[in-house]
Amino acid sequence: ETGVTQTPRHLVMGMTNKKSLKCEQHLGHNAMYWYKQSAKKPLELMFVYSLEERVENNSVPSRFSPECPNSSHLFLHLHTLQPEDSALYLCASSQGARTSGNEQFFGPGTRLTVL
Amino acid sequence: GENVEQHPSTLSVQEGDSAVIKCTYSDSASNYFPWYKQELGKGPQLIIDIRSNVGEKKDQRIAVTLNKTAKHFSLHITETQPEDSAVYFCAASKGTGTASKLTFGTGTRLQVTL
Repeated sequence: ETGVTQTPRHLVMGMTNKKSLKCEQHLGHNAMYWYKQSAKKPLELMFVYSLEERVENNSVPSRFSPECPNSSHLFLHLHTLQPEDSALYLCASSQGARTSGNEQFFGPGTRLTVL
Repeated sequence: GENVEQHPSTLSVQEGDSAVIKCTYSDSASNYFPWYKQELGKGPQLIIDIRSNVGEKKDQRIAVTLNKTAKHFSLHITETQPEDSAVYFCAASKGTGTASKLTFGTGTRLQVTL
């Protein structure tokens, strides 16, 4: 619907597992974002990529590892997570400042549960 | 860094009534203020935004006002309908480069009752 897709939509993993979240945008944007959404907390920005270069890393633990192979795809690799990492992980994209620059379009999110 | 506060956390209105959600921000350099609506099982969707060079913007039943001096902005929904029920988030940003950083409020759960 928004031009940003995320897979899987739901994921249950143990603390010793390794998994990856995938995001794809079909909007021709050049910036992509990972957010964490927990209950009763504001959306927390995790990582920002602009033109495939990481420009922001908000003190996120190293058990979260992002990857942006091209401007349309963004991954979040997960390993040895903790139960408190259970949340909705949202991907977003935006166009650069050469046009409007600020509007972010969100995907539907991946609901992650860590057992 | 930027801090955005949003009130109320929950809001219940009758169908046809108006709803107002208020946000304050701390960084006077912020220049872009979007509002997002998040329905159950979906990601946030942009519904309206305002930039710091205007004081008010309207789109059908939705309007946003901005007071730069007081550093607060508000979302107004008139003639509310059941499909307006959702969680609404305000945000603030000063990004003008190739990527922008949005700081979000904690959200307002709006319930429109029949």
